[in-house]
Amino acid sequence: LAKTTQPISMDSYEGQEVNITCSHNNIATNDYITWYQQFPSQGPRFIIQGYKTKVTNEVASLFIPADRKSSTLSLPRVSLSDTAVYYCLWGTGGGNKLTFGTGTQLKVEL
Amino acid sequence: DTGVSQDPRHKITKRGQNVTFRCDPISEHNRLYWYRQTLGQGPEFLTYFQNEAQLEKSRLLSDRFSAERPKGSFSTLEIQRTEQGDSAMYLCASSQGSGAGAEAFFGQGTRLTVV
Repeated sequence: LAKTTQPISMDSYEGQEVNITCSHNNIATNDYITWYQQFPSQGPRFIIQGYKTKVTNEVASLFIPADRKSSTLSLPRVSLSDTAVYYCLWGTGGGNKLTFGTGTQLKVEL
Repeated sequence: DTGVSQDPRHKITKRGQNVTFRCDPISEHNRLYWYRQTLGQGPEFLTYFQNEAQLEKSRLLSDRFSAERPKGSFSTLEIQRTEQGDSAMYLCASSQGSGAGAEAFFGQGTRLTVV
């Protein structure tokens, strides 16, 4: 199973940068690292995905070191609406089932 | 087609009754997944289809659960003889392709309450 470890919760304030780190020591050569966001009573929403080094899109950046045993999701200048649970997953993405952990509950305050 | 659609959004049923949920994936997606999520936990994989073929089932999918995807389009998940432990959010997702890195799109889920 694609077991990951990430903090259970994090607190931040509006306008700050938030970094959530996930460890995936047993990642396989073909595995991608994917992050999802979930609001209460909604399905998870894809945020970003990467294989190595750095990936950036309009909402986040994903940093993956050379050994790929961890990854860091970076959310620049968070707002209250970023309060959600963030899941780190690794595997072959849509090619196979996604294995979710318990995620990181991010709480953003004023 | 703006996303994955699930129906109903909420279902309350008495213990022992059968329930059926429907999922309409994004139209061009060939893969469809079912997950179950309980409060405070991440989604748990139940099963997935590639087109109409059911390729994998989790051990969580007991004999009371059955999923179908006739014609490789919409899918149904049926739970027979519901139990209180079946109360959860049931999520459907779809993706296109089987290669690494394919993004899965989730629906808003069906929340089942068994009383």
